[in-house]
Amino acid sequence: GAGVSQSPSNKVTEKGKDVELRCDPISGHTALYWYRQSLGQGLEFLIYFQGNSAPDKSGLPSDRFSAERTGGSVSTLTIQRTQQEDSAVYLCASSFRSLRGPDNSPLHFGNGTRLTVT
Amino acid sequence: GQQVMQIPQYQHVQEGEDFTTYCNSSTTLSNIQWYKQRPGGHPVFLIQLVKSGEVKKQKRLTFQFGEAKKNSSLHITATQTTDVGTYFCAFMEYGNKLVFGAGTILRVKS
Repeated sequence: GAGVSQSPSNKVTEKGKDVELRCDPISGHTALYWYRQSLGQGLEFLIYFQGNSAPDKSGLPSDRFSAERTGGSVSTLTIQRTQQEDSAVYLCASSFRSLRGPDNSPLHFGNGTRLTVT
Repeated sequence: GQQVMQIPQYQHVQEGEDFTTYCNSSTTLSNIQWYKQRPGGHPVFLIQLVKSGEVKKQKRLTFQFGEAKKNSSLHITATQTTDVGTYFCAFMEYGNKLVFGAGTILRVKS
């Protein structure tokens, strides 16, 4: 596709339910990131994938959060037993490459999934 | 991990006035990126700075990277209502983790 696609765009769920958020990165982009943004706040790093592997899971808030990426493409972020504090916009971004060193490709963000836990 | 302090948190200017946001780090950064997020939108990449003392311009926007690579600024000349949004700086931490500053919210009065 032309850009990063996220689905659903909005999700309302009851406390305690599980949710799955999907991200389709730009074709050919090897790096994929998940961020969380609460209302009026900054971007909180959750997890990063290079290919299918996740070298950095340090941002996942708790063991209720997990993510996977298959085929070096689509990624899903799963939140189990959702809590009200999980309500936020979940943003996915991809980039062409992610290498150590001074020059890094820019991130291309999707429109996000707005999650509301009631 | 590393952190950056972004100031001011919020600025409200009259259309036509200039605007500057600053990003400061206690440690040397390998590079810095700037993003803009319009209200209700997602962050959009503006520019990346890599070299010490680097200055780049995009129309009314001027980006600077400090000589010590510990600070950066974004300056907008003669703001317009289309400039409203939140401006974020971001840097690549070890392990290819892109960390964002808290952002500066810009509002422009017409």
